Amino acid sequence: DIQMTQSPSSLSASVGDRVTITCRASQGISIYLAWFQQKPGKAPKSLIYAASSLQSGVPSRFSGSGSGTDFTLTISSLQPEDFATYYCQQYNSYPHTFGQGTKLEIK
Amino acid sequence: EVQLVQSGAEVKKPGESLKISCKGSGYSFATSWIGWVRQMPGKGLEWMGIIYPGDSDTRYSPSFQGQVTISADKSISTAYLQWSSLKPSDTAVYYCARSSNCDYWGQGTLVTVSS
Repeated sequence: DIQMTQSPSSLSASVGDRVTITCRASQGISIYLAWFQQKPGKAPKSLIYAASSLQSGVPSRFSGSGSGTDFTLTISSLQPEDFATYYCQQYNSYPHTFGQGTKLEIK
Repeated sequence: EVQLVQSGAEVKKPGESLKISCKGSGYSFATSWIGWVRQMPGKGLEWMGIIYPGDSDTRYSPSFQGQVTISADKSISTAYLQWSSLKPSDTAVYYCARSSNCDYWGQGTLVTVSS
């Protein structure tokens, strides 16, 4: 199985901050990487697919980059509604594994 | 509008069987993969497996192979996740999600297994 490791596991930030979350794959996955946002008690929401493509309706302050083994999710200017847990997922090969999550909290 | 609507919460006893469902609408159900994801209480997301309803091609995570069965009925645009003998450790929220990159998600089904 491909292991996905996110860092940091948790992060405190303020409204307006620029935030970057990293996801590393244990082997190359090309650009088959997605990012999700999950708020408590809710289903995950897709933000990014194919490493850098923004899902329809997702604000442009979210962006993704990377290929191979190293990927980043950047939020350019945090808004109050962005405080949530973020997950990456590789879908290059089965099983399609998730990272362990990054909890983004208000400072 | 793409929608995935899952069946309601279930409370079961250990050893009982269960089948939960995920009904898709607003897209071609038969030609999009549907996956299942587990989230245990307070934990992260775990990918369980995926099915292509058009020909029922199914892939499982080794962690879930033999523990659950994934199926689909393309005639009614519905995917299923089933257990033959539930354990307390199966207590979790189960989500279905469309396509390999999980672009749309169901609302989740809470399964509670307790004696």
